[in-house]
This record gives sequence, C-alpha cells and structure tokens, in this order.
Amino acid sequence: KAGVTQTPRYLIKTRGQQVTLSCSPISGHRSVSWYQQTPGQGLQFLFEYFSETQRNKGNFPGRFSGRQFSNSRSEMNVSTLELGDSALYLCASSLQDQETQYFGPGTRLLVL
Amino acid sequence: GENVEQHPSTLSVQEGDSAVIKCTYSDSASNYFPWYKQELGKRPQLIIDIRSNVGEKKDQRIAVTLNKTAKHFSLHITETQPEDSAVYFCAASKGNQFYFGTGTSLTVIP
Repeated sequence: KAGVTQTPRYLIKTRGQQVTLSCSPISGHRSVSWYQQTPGQGLQFLFEYFSETQRNKGNFPGRFSGRQFSNSRSEMNVSTLELGDSALYLCASSLQDQETQYFGPGTRLLVL
Repeated sequence: GENVEQHPSTLSVQEGDSAVIKCTYSDSASNYFPWYKQELGKRPQLIIDIRSNVGEKKDQRIAVTLNKTAKHFSLHITETQPEDSAVYFCAASKGNQFYFGTGTSLTVIP
C-alpha cells in the first residue's frame, strides 16, 4: 500500500496570510491526526478526525482548523499566520483506535 | 489530560555500547506505548511498541519495558551502530489520542 502523503512539502507565507495543508492517509485508514513539530517542543497534537468527525482537539488557538472528507483525506487550515506558526506539520493515519500511527513526510511551513 | 516526559533530551554513546531512553506518563488509563525514530529530514517511523498487558518486548537489538505501577516505560538499544543516530520519541495512548514525549537526540560515535 502507498504510505501517507502530504502536500505541499514546503510552503513560504507571510504574516497574516492563511494556508491549507493536505493529507492523504493509507488506503483503508479512517483516523487522521495532525501534529505540529518544532525544535525543542516535540510533537504537539493539533486534532484527530475519524469518519469526517473531529474527535479530539489539542490546545491550539481557533486559527487552526481542519476537516476530513468522505474518502478520509484531511486538510488543515491556519488563518492569520504568525511567525510562531513556522514548523513542520505532520499528519498520521491509523486503521483504528490504539493501532500504530503512520506518519506522512510533513509539510514544512515558513512564515516570514 | 496525559503528560509524557522523556529523558534524556540528548544522549551520546560509543558504537557498540547500549543506550537507554526513559519515559513517564501520568494517565493510568493509557494502554498503548509506541516508540518512533526520526532521522534528520525524515518522517517518524515506528520502531517498537508495547501494550499494557505486556511487561517487555524485544525486536533484535531493540527492547521496550513497561512498568504500569510506576507509570514508566523505557527503550533499550544494544550494540549501537552509527545508523541508530536519530531522534527518538516515546508516546502514550488511550483510545484515539497520542501524547508524545519531547524526544531524545541519540548520537552514536564511531
């Protein structure tokens, strides 16, 4: 099976702009989670979707939002970008609860 | 919510020596504990995992131990090799949410 894919791989934006990132899970996987990775902070949980429903949300401001489509592909959106949003955004998919999460290659976002 | 602490943040060992990374968790309901390896510029990859009904699991040079009473689990790498150099993350999960440690940067010196 093909692995988790994310697009785009790299993005450069300026403060105040918005951005949409996309994640395609492994075929058959219905759970998609999003993480923000920054040096020294590890992997910070953003949100998790299952069958188009957000089941969990991390401690991030409302500027961070997401959705999942009927084919399990997921998008996350960040509005009014701030310099501190510069990070690697990773998505991970799993077949079901408490099963291994498989990560995508990430989208590296730079906010200038 | 769950809180996962990971130590040490950096670790250097001589090739052939063992490396141990320790994590603690706060929520006794967590019952799945994966470990991920992330090489520079690459995605995290699962290397081993353990569930709460098991105390120890081995896979070649890698082993994980779990102490549910103390709420801590550890990754052991024996006979380290330069290709083991990477950042290692532990995680704890109950249900559908994963909580990650802050990572350990392991350097294996040839």
